[in-house]
Amino acid sequence: EVQLVESGGGLVQPGGSLRLSCAASGFTFSSYSMTWVRQAPGKGLEWVSVIARDGATTYYAESGKGRFTISRDNSKSTLYLQMNSLRAEDTAVYHCARKMSSGTYPLDNWGQGTLVTVSS
Amino acid sequence: DIQLTQSPSFLSASVGDSVTITCRASQGISSYLAWYQQEPGKAPKLLIYSASTLQSGVPSRFSGSGSGTEFTLTISSLQPEDFATYYCQQLDSYPRTFGQGTKVEIK
Repeated sequence: EVQLVESGGGLVQPGGSLRLSCAASGFTFSSYSMTWVRQAPGKGLEWVSVIARDGATTYYAESGKGRFTISRDNSKSTLYLQMNSLRAEDTAVYHCARKMSSGTYPLDNWGQGTLVTVSS
Repeated sequence: DIQLTQSPSFLSASVGDSVTITCRASQGISSYLAWYQQEPGKAPKLLIYSASTLQSGVPSRFSGSGSGTEFTLTISSLQPEDFATYYCQQLDSYPRTFGQGTKVEIK
C-alpha cells in the first residue's frame, strides 16, 4: 500500500524557516516525480512545487520562487520542502503527492498533510 | 500561467440526482486535465485523469469529458459519500494550477 506521511509543520514567526519532510513507503520512490500542494485554511488547493525522479529538475509556483526549495533523498525515500522567509500567507496544510508515471501524470496518491502556521 | 475556472462554485443536490461540474481553461490544454474529490479534513483523491479516464477503484457513476478549454465532471445518481468538494487540475504545463473548487452539498 502506498503511504505518504508528512512531518515538520508547526508554528513559525514571519521571516522564519521550516523544513517539511514526506516519508514514502509501499512503492519504489526513486521511480516517481513528487509534488507539494498546499491548502490555506478554508481555501482551495494550490500547487507548490515538483521534483523529477532523480532530483535534477524542479519547478516552483511563483509564490514560492526564491524562498522554497524542493529536494529528495532516494536512499531514504523521503521528499523535502525547505521554506525560508515565511509569510502569513504561507499558512496552510502542506500535502506531498506522487505524480503518476503514465498517462497525463496526475497526482495519484496524497499524504494527509502537515499544518504550517506563520504568525507572531 | 493557465487559469482554470470551475462552475458552479457551490451546488446543492439530493441523493440520486445527477450533477455536472464545468472546468474552463484560459488556453487549450488538449486532454491534460484531472479531477479530484476532497472530503472535509481528508487528502484529495484522484477521480479522473486525461479528461475522461477513470482512476482505478473509482465508481463508474463518475465520468469526465471534454478537451481543449472546456471540461465536465458528471456524477450520476449522487450517493451520500459523494458530498464533497471537487477540483480540476491542468496537467499541461507548469505551474500545474487547480480550479477554485466546487462544493457539493446535500439539499
